[in-house]
Amino acid sequence: DAMVIQNPRYQVTQFGKPVTLSCSQTLNHNVMYWYQQKSSQAPKLLFHYYDKDFNNEADTPDNFQSRRPNTSFCFLDIRSPGLGDAAMYLCATSRDRGGPDTQYFGPGTRLTVL
Amino acid sequence: AQSVTQLDSHVSVSEGTPVLLRCNYSSSYSPSLFWYVQHPNKGLQLLLKYTSAATLVKGINGFEAEFKKSETSFHLTKPSAHMSDAAEYFCVVSESNNDMRFGAGTRLTVKP
Repeated sequence: DAMVIQNPRYQVTQFGKPVTLSCSQTLNHNVMYWYQQKSSQAPKLLFHYYDKDFNNEADTPDNFQSRRPNTSFCFLDIRSPGLGDAAMYLCATSRDRGGPDTQYFGPGTRLTVL
Repeated sequence: AQSVTQLDSHVSVSEGTPVLLRCNYSSSYSPSLFWYVQHPNKGLQLLLKYTSAATLVKGINGFEAEFKKSETSFHLTKPSAHMSDAAEYFCVVSESNNDMRFGAGTRLTVKP
């Protein structure tokens, strides 16, 4: 089945220790998104890639970076995690950008910062 | 810019009774509207979406929603709640795909 896969599902890191979260998709979609979702809150868009074009949200901290080496994979790098970065991180994809295209979400990675 | 308001942060129903989750939106254009469901520690799953076709949209698991432009509403309903429906539900409005606005979410509790 075509899907969005996130690894790992649970990640524990230490304060200030860089961490990378992974997302892959078999949908061959052009657009990939990263969201941060804190407890009992709605997902908040961090950035997205339209093909190789990176689009950062204005209020996304510099501590968060992303890479998309090919169509299938996208990574979220947190350079120096703080306690406030503990959250669920959701990856999503869509076929195209603009209009009513549905975003398909992965299961998420729950990040704990000690 | 578009926005969405979910009118109830928490809804509790008994199993077998109807479900109503309310959503109002604001948009300058003809928006696309979505309902997503999120079970604990899981990603978001699309329930249904409205994209300017039929105003009554049927989704998965017996859910449906009606787009009412005059009321700027897109309420989610289900005739009979099941225990497995207990989850967080998000209403989403989109004018362009890289700018989806999520509501704050409604937590649905289903009592036996």
